[in-house]
Amino acid sequence: DIVMTQAPLSVSVTPGESASISCRSSKSLLHSNGITYVYWYLQKPGKSPQLLIYRMSNLASGVPDRFSGSGSETDFTLKISRVEAEDVGIYYCGQLLENPWTFGGGTKLELK
Amino acid sequence: EVQLQQSGAELVRPGTSVKLSCKVSGDTITAYYMHFVKQRPGQGLEWIGRIDPEDDSTKYAEKFKNKATLTADTSSNTAYLKLSSLTSEDTATYFCTTSYYYSGVYFDYWGQGVMVTVSS
Repeated sequence: DIVMTQAPLSVSVTPGESASISCRSSKSLLHSNGITYVYWYLQKPGKSPQLLIYRMSNLASGVPDRFSGSGSETDFTLKISRVEAEDVGIYYCGQLLENPWTFGGGTKLELK
Repeated sequence: EVQLQQSGAELVRPGTSVKLSCKVSGDTITAYYMHFVKQRPGQGLEWIGRIDPEDDSTKYAEKFKNKATLTADTSSNTAYLKLSSLTSEDTATYFCTTSYYYSGVYFDYWGQGVMVTVSS
């Protein structure tokens, strides 16, 4: 199985500032079709995960453009610009390249 | 708009089984693969498996092969997750989810989750 490793475990951010979350995969997530199958989700307290970024760098529908995704074949970053109160929750990276889908352990974002 | 509606919370005895449902509204279930994800209290996300309701083909994560069974009923537009031989390790919230890419738009849907508590 592909192992997804996230860092940091938690991040505390002043509203209006930026935050970055890293994710590393144990195997390249770049498919031969040129698509990199890494996804980012936010799970707010008591809610289902919601998709933020798909295929490494594409913003999901309805997601503010304060969120952006980037990376290489095995190293990925989610950046949140101008953090707001509604961004609080746990962020997960996930690989949907192959079964079983696997996810990082999560990064908890809280406000200072 | 597609919605996934899951069945209600369950309190079940160790050693028994439970069957959870995930009803699709807004489209036909045969249009999607349906995936199920487990989340233990305070823990991360764990993929259980997926079913293609078009032909009932399934894929499971290795650790769930003797634990979970996925089925689908196209007449009721519903997917099911059956968990057997329940132990405290199965106490978790279970989500159904589906996603697909069509005409330049990526669609991603999750059920609200169903809490299963295994306790005597």
